[in-house]
Amino acid sequence: AQSVSQHNHHVILSEAASLELGCNYSYGGTVNLFWYVQYPGQHLQLLLKYFSGDPLVKGIKGFEAEFIKSKFSFNLRKPSVQWSDTAEYFCAVTLTGANNLFFGTGTRLTVIP
Amino acid sequence: EPEVTQTPSHQVTQMGQEVILRCVPISNHLYFYWYRQILGQKVEFLVSFYNNEISEKSEIFDDQFSVERPDGSNFTLKIRSTKLEDSAMYFCASGQESGSPLHFGNGTRLTVT
Repeated sequence: AQSVSQHNHHVILSEAASLELGCNYSYGGTVNLFWYVQYPGQHLQLLLKYFSGDPLVKGIKGFEAEFIKSKFSFNLRKPSVQWSDTAEYFCAVTLTGANNLFFGTGTRLTVIP
Repeated sequence: EPEVTQTPSHQVTQMGQEVILRCVPISNHLYFYWYRQILGQKVEFLVSFYNNEISEKSEIFDDQFSVERPDGSNFTLKIRSTKLEDSAMYFCASGQESGSPLHFGNGTRLTVT
């Protein structure tokens, strides 16, 4: 069955620390990969996406993610987090050409000033 | 930037009652979706809608659920007879084309008592 796994449920970091959030998926076909962020009280917003090409994709606010096909992973990274990065982060996958997104359970990031 | 808007932000209803959750997708988008997130769980796909008909639905989307685009701008989710387990945050989303990143609304928190 198709699934998306985010192994970290809650991550607590100090400002300026580096961040890496894990995402693994299990799908047989060609996939499109996304990271969404949900700031407190706000809607889901797209951080970055991978459709094809360079497996290292850069998104908004200094985030990047690397697609490693052999590991079925799409980990999110940021070299230096800020307090304003406190939010819930969701990895999502869709099969190429399909409509529906499959989400991971989300990772709550708390950044301590 | 255009937004997906959802109303109401919070709906409280009694078990067995009908509820209608409303969404106004981004105007030039063609694909519309409903997702839900039960507290503490992952965001789950409910249904996708294109060209005035359901294009895909999950097993959650049973006969108690229906969607409609009554007037070319609104996109509604109706739950005919609510159950306690329908309590969740319901997100509407829209996309310009199949497989494109989705734009999400702020969600409607449905509480069934």
